[in-house]
Amino acid sequence: DQQVKQNSPSLSVQEGRISILNCDYTNSMFDYFLWYKKYPAEGPTFLISISSIKDKNEDGRFTVFLNKSAKHLSLHIVPSQPGDSAVYFCAASEEITNAGKSTFGDGTTLTVKP
Amino acid sequence: DTAVSQTPKYLVTQMGNDKSIKCEQNLGHDTMYWYKQDSKKFLKIMFSYNNKELIINETVPNRFSPKSPDKAHLNLHINSLELGDSAVYFCASSQDIVRGFNEKLFFGSGTQLSVL
Repeated sequence: DQQVKQNSPSLSVQEGRISILNCDYTNSMFDYFLWYKKYPAEGPTFLISISSIKDKNEDGRFTVFLNKSAKHLSLHIVPSQPGDSAVYFCAASEEITNAGKSTFGDGTTLTVKP
Repeated sequence: DTAVSQTPKYLVTQMGNDKSIKCEQNLGHDTMYWYKQDSKKFLKIMFSYNNKELIINETVPNRFSPKSPDKAHLNLHINSLELGDSAVYFCASSQDIVRGFNEKLFFGSGTQLSVL
């Protein structure tokens, strides 16, 4: 059961433009969502998160939007920089309930061209 | 200086063998975890230790046995390896017990295990 899905395996954008990465989930019990960034040969590093009580969270160039009715979240990066090129994982968690009810999506590889 | 380090990075072995993956964190965290990333790239928790005490044990075959000699180390031993064990295994740590994912988790770079 693929509870968190990132439908675009890759995305290529020009430096300075907006990058939009999308993520869909099916488990309505998820109440905390995160985006992780991963460079080759490194572990995922936390980027930004959002609780289900919010629909938007912003941190510098990164903004995460949550649409609970559609079970959809997105990560906007504006402006995109070449150093943003990495694999981005969407993650979802049932924070209140049992530990371990968390999962990553399958990742989107972002390439920002100079 | 790497915060969460795991060795080896790559491990290729035959079915039936016994192998270990080591993890060390120098962040002074009390809690450490093992996650498995399967072929579909889903990252799922396997075990969690807090101050050397097992606190999370998901449905994992008992061929997998974590061992925590101290709170800075959490090793994963796998007996009688099977083809389905091939995956990337990530170690992680956090100061407090994290139920699910949150920004307080710090991940290692992963160990690619290939069982032939």
